[in-house]
Amino acid sequence: SAVISQKPSRDICQRGTSLTIQCQVDSQVTMMFWYRQQPGQSLTLIATANQGSEATYESGFVIDKFPISRPNLTFSTLTVSNMSPEDSSIYLCSVELFGDYTFGSGTRLTVV
Amino acid sequence: ELKVEQNPLFLSMQEGKNYTIYCNYSTTSDRLYWYRQDPGKSLESLFVLLSNGAVKQEGRLMASLDTKARLSTLHITAAVHDLSATYFCAVPDMGGATNKLIFGTGTLLAVQP
Repeated sequence: SAVISQKPSRDICQRGTSLTIQCQVDSQVTMMFWYRQQPGQSLTLIATANQGSEATYESGFVIDKFPISRPNLTFSTLTVSNMSPEDSSIYLCSVELFGDYTFGSGTRLTVV
Repeated sequence: ELKVEQNPLFLSMQEGKNYTIYCNYSTTSDRLYWYRQDPGKSLESLFVLLSNGAVKQEGRLMASLDTKARLSTLHITAAVHDLSATYFCAVPDMGGATNKLIFGTGTLLAVQP
């Protein structure tokens, strides 16, 4: 299975600012997935990032709020823009390789 | 739209007891995944169930899949405190091009001594 390096692991940010989360994968993968996990909740898919094309966003998530970059087959970033306290969550990236889904270690974001 | 439901949402059980967590999903899929999450941690893969009738066991946990009923179970045998965690099932959405993984609501398991 793939190994994912995700950073930062945690951050405390002021409202109105932006944070960019990075995920680096040790294998080339077509799709990278970004999830949000609000406190005490399950994982909700934000978007799917395919290299060479725009990300596909799930209902309730928009590019202006969560812009995603996918410059190559091993790397992706998710930016949380114009943050508010409601954005306080854990954000995880994930990849699928040979039917196995691997997750990054997560970014715990607190917005104050 | 694929929906994945788990029950119960919360399970408090005594050490040594047995219990089952259920996972239902709404559209056809030939695979199902179980994950464990400890507080403040990422997801740990427990089982990948790849076909109808698949059964996998690891220690005190056993998972099964019935694709016709769109049901998976995670059975806990003789629970121990170390099993306390949140357990998620997840199903790939086979209706699109990405096989995105859709998660169940999660089951918070608390094993009491």
